[in-house]
Amino acid sequence: NAGVTQTPKFQVLKTGQSMTLQCAQDMNHEYMSWYRQDPGMGLRLIHYSVGAGITDQGEVPNGYNVSRSTTEDFPLRLLSAAPSQTSVYFCASSYSFRGQPQHFGDGTRLSIL
Amino acid sequence: AQKVTQAQTEISVVEKEDVTLDCVYETRDTTYYLFWYKQPPSGELVFLIRRNSFDEQNEISGRYSWNFQKSTSSFNFTITASQVVDSAVYFCALSLPYNQGGKLIFGQGTELSVKP
Repeated sequence: NAGVTQTPKFQVLKTGQSMTLQCAQDMNHEYMSWYRQDPGMGLRLIHYSVGAGITDQGEVPNGYNVSRSTTEDFPLRLLSAAPSQTSVYFCASSYSFRGQPQHFGDGTRLSIL
Repeated sequence: AQKVTQAQTEISVVEKEDVTLDCVYETRDTTYYLFWYKQPPSGELVFLIRRNSFDEQNEISGRYSWNFQKSTSSFNFTITASQVVDSAVYFCALSLPYNQGGKLIFGQGTELSVKP
């Protein structure tokens, strides 16, 4: 059982570069989301999706784009990387958005120089 | 606005001590869910428990227990006879209703260090 798979696990970018963080789940979960974790701030929601073709903004969406063309995949795109986006990124999924526990990927540690 | 506060940033105990991690939440909604997650040093997030707003029964799972009190908007987590393997960051989270996207609002986390 793969669960939620995030790639890459580590990445270093230069300011201004773009990249896509990949997230895939094999549990046929309806709900997927992206969080960033920064020291002392817990996890903050970036974007989420309640089903294929539907996305919405979370608490800190600026500088990020998402799409949900399939149930399984929910990539996160950094349009023009900035040092403030240095963080650990977690993708999560759950069976529905009605209070179900979320299953998290192992995270992507991203550094922007 | 919805908010989760974990006032204890760091806690250090000696093995076999009992420890309670505090969680206070704010919401105007009558239907909501509360969660606890564990993040060990390896970095992954592990689901521990979910409680809905209509169920104030306390829950015990082995050495772990949870006390949910709506009157004080608290959902505290107690580890009995702590062990070194309990060392981790623990997050309390509040799930918004489905008409608000079911989003999770996390507290800042409490880093628990259990020393041998």
